[in-house]
Amino acid sequence: DIQMTQSPATLSASIGDRVTITCRASQSIVDWLAWYQQRPGRAPKLLISKASVPQGGVPSRFSGRGSGTEFTLTISSLQPDDFATYYCQQYSGSSPISFGQGTKVEI
Amino acid sequence: QMQLQESGPGLVKPSGTLSLTCTVSSASITTPIWWSWVRQPPGKGLEWVGQVFQGGITNYNPSLKGRGTISMDTSKNHFSLSLTSVTAADTAVYYCARGGDKASFDYWGQGMLVIVSS
Repeated sequence: DIQMTQSPATLSASIGDRVTITCRASQSIVDWLAWYQQRPGRAPKLLISKASVPQGGVPSRFSGRGSGTEFTLTISSLQPDDFATYYCQQYSGSSPISFGQGTKVEI
Repeated sequence: QMQLQESGPGLVKPSGTLSLTCTVSSASITTPIWWSWVRQPPGKGLEWVGQVFQGGITNYNPSLKGRGTISMDTSKNHFSLSLTSVTAADTAVYYCARGGDKASFDYWGQGMLVIVSS
């Protein structure tokens, strides 16, 4: 099975900061990677699919990059609404779907 | 706008069966796309449970060890999860979502907390 490893587990940042979260897959998933944002008590929200394709309505400050086994999610200028937990997910079809353990972005 | 809504008992006894239904509105579940269940134990991360496709094709997380069954009822436009022999480790918020293999999860239900306790 494909393991997804996110880093860091927790990220402390300030409004306006540029932040980057990394996600590594234990084997190549090509670009079958999604990023989700989850606020407390809410369902996850899809931000990015196919590693770099933003979902409609997602602010342009969110961007995704990568292919193969290494991927990043960058928030170019952190806003108050962005303090949340972020998860990567592989959905390659070659292995059971799996999520990273999450990265909590806090003030 | 498509909506998904989970329903079912919020309390299940140990060794019993957890049964949840996800009703889909403003879209047909016969669309050729996967529909999935995801769970999240309190304070922990997301775990994919399984998925169902048009025609009833299913896949499950091996961690369930054969305890899970996902089915579709096209007449009611809903899909369901059954999890047998539950323990406290199955206590979680259960989400249904549209998506699966080669399809990111773009629509989610609001989630339903299921507690396994006597």
